[in-house]
Amino acid sequence: DGGITQSPKYLFRKEGQNVTLSCEQNLNHDAMYWYRQDPGQGLRLIYYSQIVNDFQKGDIAEGYSVSREKKESFPLTVTSAQKNPTAFYLCASSRAARNTEAFFGQGTRLTVV
Amino acid sequence: RKEVEQDPGPFNVPEGATVAFNCTYSNSASQSFFWYRQDCRKEPKLLMSVYSSGNEDGRFTAQLNRASQYISLLIRDSKLSDSATYLCVVSPGTGANNLFFGTGTRLTVIP
Repeated sequence: DGGITQSPKYLFRKEGQNVTLSCEQNLNHDAMYWYRQDPGQGLRLIYYSQIVNDFQKGDIAEGYSVSREKKESFPLTVTSAQKNPTAFYLCASSRAARNTEAFFGQGTRLTVV
Repeated sequence: RKEVEQDPGPFNVPEGATVAFNCTYSNSASQSFFWYRQDCRKEPKLLMSVYSSGNEDGRFTAQLNRASQYISLLIRDSKLSDSATYLCVVSPGTGANNLFFGTGTRLTVIP
């Protein structure tokens, strides 16, 4: 089945550690995104990539890094510089064409302990 | 002003009721509009796109009012399974990276 897979579903991190969230898609989508969702807030864009080997900062990129070495993969690293990393992280993908909807992975719930 | 604004609710309605949500957007150049459904602690899933002429999918009807810059979602004959948060999503059309999400409207359908 085609889709987007995020792993792990739950992740616990100690303060000061970097962690990497995985996102893989087999939809042949060119564009991929990372969003963060906090209680009572809408989704906020962290990073996006529209082609391999290229990515752009979203609204809240500070403390995060990404790579896009393969079309299918767009991992997100939450670094120790991210001051408030506890959140629900959602990866999405879409066709590169305009006005297209995004399809989401199941999300990773990150908790800093 | 936020790009997309929604009434957070909650809307508590009995089974079989009709309920409507509105969502306003600030960018008059916005091109694409969507409603997503998000269940508790799950990812958002596309419910329906919203077309200029309005569109219907079973019990769900979406409308777009460009003059007043709002979109609406009407749910008829509410089911218990409709309980979820409904996200309004707007794109200015310059690229899918510019999808703007509302904070969502929480709906609870009561037996």
